[in-house]
Amino acid sequence: DVVMTQTPLSSPVTLGQPASISCRSSQSLVHRDGNIYLNWLQQRPGQPPRLLIYKISDRFSGVPDRFTGSGAGTDFTLQISRVETEDVGVYYCMQSTHFPHTFGQGTKLEIK
Amino acid sequence: EVQLVESGGGLVQPGGSLRLSCEASGFTFSRYWMYWLRQAPGKGLAWVSRIEGPATDTNYADSVKGRFTISRDNAKNTLYLQMNSLRAEDTAVYYCVRGSNDWPGMDVWGQGTTVIVSS
Repeated sequence: DVVMTQTPLSSPVTLGQPASISCRSSQSLVHRDGNIYLNWLQQRPGQPPRLLIYKISDRFSGVPDRFTGSGAGTDFTLQISRVETEDVGVYYCMQSTHFPHTFGQGTKLEIK
Repeated sequence: EVQLVESGGGLVQPGGSLRLSCEASGFTFSRYWMYWLRQAPGKGLAWVSRIEGPATDTNYADSVKGRFTISRDNAKNTLYLQMNSLRAEDTAVYYCVRGSNDWPGMDVWGQGTTVIVSS
């Protein structure tokens, strides 16, 4: 199975400041169709996960444009341009190129 | 609006059984892969099982193979997970998740149902 490794595991940030989370895969995530299916999910406290970003950088329906995904090869990044209170939670990267789909350990975003 | 509502969780003794259900609405259920994922207390996310739209193809994580059975009733827009021979390590919140029709992956998650395996 593909191992997804996130850093940092915890990220204290100041409201209004940017935040960045990294994710690395143990092997190439290039699908046979040529795309890379690296996705990001957000899990607010007490809530189920929610899809934010798919295929590296495509925002899912209703996701604010302060969330940006980027990356290539085996290294990927989720950036939040200006952190808001509602962004507190755990963020997971997930690959769906290979089956079974696998997740990173999660990064806890908290306000300083 | 796409909605997935799970039910059937609860407290069960080791070796016992439970059947989870997920009622779907707001989309053509029969056209989508559907997944069960779980999250153990304080832990991350793990894939459990998935089933193709027409129910002709299923897959299971090694940890549940032979004990869990995924199924669906497309006429009732409902997904199921029959869980037998439950173990303490199956304790988790179980999520019903819709597979995307546009790309390999999952897009919409239910609220989850909690399964606790304990004597």
